[in-house]
Amino acid sequence: AQSVTQLGSHVSVSEGALVLLRCNYSSSVPPYLFWYVQYPNQGLQLLLKYTSAATLVKGINGFEAEFKKSETSFHLTKPSAHMSDAAEYFCAVKLASAGGTSYGKLTFGQGTILTVHP
Amino acid sequence: GAGVSQSPSNKVTEKGKDVELRCDPISGHTALYWYRQSLGQGLEFLIYFQGNSAPDKSGLPSDRFSAERTGGSVSTLTIQRTQQEDSAVYLCASSFRRGPTDTQYFGPGTRLTVL
Repeated sequence: AQSVTQLGSHVSVSEGALVLLRCNYSSSVPPYLFWYVQYPNQGLQLLLKYTSAATLVKGINGFEAEFKKSETSFHLTKPSAHMSDAAEYFCAVKLASAGGTSYGKLTFGQGTILTVHP
Repeated sequence: GAGVSQSPSNKVTEKGKDVELRCDPISGHTALYWYRQSLGQGLEFLIYFQGNSAPDKSGLPSDRFSAERTGGSVSTLTIQRTQQEDSAVYLCASSFRRGPTDTQYFGPGTRLTVL
């Protein structure tokens, strides 16, 4: 079974500072990994996804993430935080192989709430 | 184009009542998913539909939960005899296919409160 762990339920940064949100995965087969963002009272929006084409993935709003197999990690970063980045961020994993009941569904981490201070 | 829509946006019900939550996926998407988001459990998969295949119901928490998808489009999630622990935000998502690289697009959710 696959799973993801997000380290830190709350992260606080100053505007203009580096954003680093941590995600580690556990999967018995090659995983596909996703980062979603959720603004208050809204659904989830895809930021970026890793589909094995490249280990460094660039997403929307200046975010990027690097897949590191040796560390089983897929941390999300942004060089300079904006006030508008304040939201909850979810890392998620999907199995890459067809078959079985787990195929197709997303398994989410517990989420990290990002607060940006002026 | 229109995204995934869900109705109602909010639902307050009394314990023991039945509720129906509706999801309209993006046109042309063959895969449809239901998730539940609650404070204690985070985001949990409930069920998904793929075309005419039998749905994957492996995430449904009890037999009080059921879902159907009519005509390969609109889906309804039904919760019978609601309990207070059913209070959560129910999210629907759709994707073009159910493959690992297919992006799931989420609706705004239905916030269910069971009194």
